[in-house]
Formats: sequence, structure tokens, C-alpha cells
Amino acid sequence: EVQLVQSGAEVKKPGESLRISCKGSGYRFTNHWIGWVRQMPGKGLEWMGIIYPGDSDTRYSPSFQGQVTISADKSISTAYLQWSSLKASDTAIYYCTRQKWGEFDFWGQGTLVTVSS
Amino acid sequence: EIVLTQSPGTLSLSPGERATLSCRASQSVSSSYLAWYQQKPGQAPRLLIYGASNRATGIPDRVSGSGSGTDFTLTISRLEPEDFAVYYCQQYGSSPSTFGQGTKLEIK
Repeated sequence: EVQLVQSGAEVKKPGESLRISCKGSGYRFTNHWIGWVRQMPGKGLEWMGIIYPGDSDTRYSPSFQGQVTISADKSISTAYLQWSSLKASDTAIYYCTRQKWGEFDFWGQGTLVTVSS
Repeated sequence: EIVLTQSPGTLSLSPGERATLSCRASQSVSSSYLAWYQQKPGQAPRLLIYGASNRATGIPDRVSGSGSGTDFTLTISRLEPEDFAVYYCQQYGSSPSTFGQGTKLEIK
């Protein structure tokens, strides 16, 4: 059974750094792109970027380029999304997803990130 | 980037009725690389349709997708109580991939 299990909710202050994780199981992790999707409170879905764990090839949406870093450790089947300096506007639920041909066929449960002073 | 506009913003229908949701792209979506997702409150989105018209695993045949170019449609032929949710379209034929803003399907 394919599963993506994300790390737990985080509460941070503006300016702090953060890395959240997404562990894949039930399939060959290196063979599928992993995507990250943001959902701000009460809003829609935003495509942030994707990574191919096999060779760490990474693509970002222009809206998120330079704002976050996507990485992966294929030895432990885990992808990451990180921030070096959080802002209040980063408050959102972040989903990791498995990309099939381009669509996202499996989703993690989401990680709520709250940034507040 | 391709902008996807979904309409209507909210659709109020009764169980048993037919739902028709629209997704219009600002440019042609190559190779009909368009997907539809359903999201219920407090849950992650679920893939319904990919490649504009292909049902994902486990999706009933009363759910169908159609369209090409810039105009796409999600149809639910006979609404069940579990169908009331928010629906998003996504194009993945052009980088960056983008989502529509969503259509809320609510019980009338």
C-alpha cells in the first residue's frame, strides 16, 4: 500500500527556520517525483515544486523559488520542505504528494505550519 | 504560467441531481494533461480524473471528465451525499503546474 506520512504540526516564530518531512513507503521511492502543495487557511491549492528522489532533480514554481528549499534523502525514502526564515504568511497546511504522470495520485495527510509571534 | 478559472464558485444541488463543473485555461493545455481532485473538510485532496477523462482507481463511473484545449468539464451524474465537497482542477502540461481556485459543491 502506497503511503506518504508527513511530520507533525509546527508552531514557529517569524524569522525561525523549519524543515518538514514526508516519508514514502509501499513503492519504489526513487521512481516517482514528489511534489509539495500549499493550502493557506480557507484557500485553494498551490503547486510549490517537485523533486525526483532518484537524482534530486528539482523544479520550483516561480512563486516559491528562493522562498523554500525542496530536498530528498533516497536512502530513507524521505522528502523535505524547508524554510530559512519563516514569515507569518507561511502559515498554511503543506501537503506532499506522489506524482504519477503529472497528476498527484497519492497525498500525505498534511502538515500544519503556524508562524506567529 | 497557465491560469485555470473554475466556475461556478459555488454550486448548490440536491442528492440525485447532476453536477457540471467547468475549468477554463488561459492557454491550451497540452495533451489534455488535466486532472480533477476532490477535497473534503479536514482531509487531503483525492485524485478523481487524470488526462482529462481517465478515472483514477476506485472512482465510480458516475464521475466523468471531458474536454480538451482550454475547456474542461467534470460531471457527476447522480449526486450522492459523499460528493458534496470542494473540487479543483490542475493542469500539468506546462511548467509550472497550476491549480484552479476551486468549486464548492454544496447541498441545496
